[in-house]
Amino acid sequence: AQSVAQPEDQVNVAEGNPLTVKCTYSVSGNPYLFWYVQYPNRGLQFLLKYITGDNLVKGSYGFEAEFNKSQTSFHLKKPSALVSDSALYFCAVSSPSGAGSYQLTFGKGTKLSVIP
Amino acid sequence: DAGVTQSPTHLIKTRGQHVTLRCSPISGHKSVSWYQQVLGQGPQFIFQYYEKEERGRGNFPDRFSARQFPNYSSELNVNALLLGDSALYLCASSPGTESYEQYFGPGTRLTVT
Repeated sequence: AQSVAQPEDQVNVAEGNPLTVKCTYSVSGNPYLFWYVQYPNRGLQFLLKYITGDNLVKGSYGFEAEFNKSQTSFHLKKPSALVSDSALYFCAVSSPSGAGSYQLTFGKGTKLSVIP
Repeated sequence: DAGVTQSPTHLIKTRGQHVTLRCSPISGHKSVSWYQQVLGQGPQFIFQYYEKEERGRGNFPDRFSARQFPNYSSELNVNALLLGDSALYLCASSPGTESYEQYFGPGTRLTVT
């Protein structure tokens, strides 16, 4: 079984400061890792993914994430937070099942609040 | 290009009733997945379909069923609704079933009273 943990329900950061949203995962086999963002009353928007290759992946809106295999982590980062980054962030993992399904398993989400 | 579309946007049903939710994937995408998001939680996987065949099923009772049509659109059906089925139901599409990211629709908010 695969699982994702987001240890912080909420992260508060001042505008202009760097932000980090934490994620750890558990999966048998090689993980495919994703970050999504959800604004109120909206669906999920894809930010970035790690499949293979460079451990530092860059995504939309200036976000990046670092894959750390030994720590089974995939933390989301941004060098300078904007008020508009305030939203709910989900980390997700997938791994192929026997039927060829790559179902996503999500964490519970972390609410990011960027304070002006 | 249009994104993933879902209908209806909101729905109110009574316990014991049946509901059908609809999803149209991004043009060219052949895989559709359904997720249930209960308030305060992350989405939970229900089904994945690819080329009209079920490729994966999450831990949901048999009251939940789905299908995919030749044009790759999909329906999620839920029978004998329970209060606990109240949630945001999300549809996601992707080109295939492998490592591609999934693109989500805005969801259907189902309220069961």
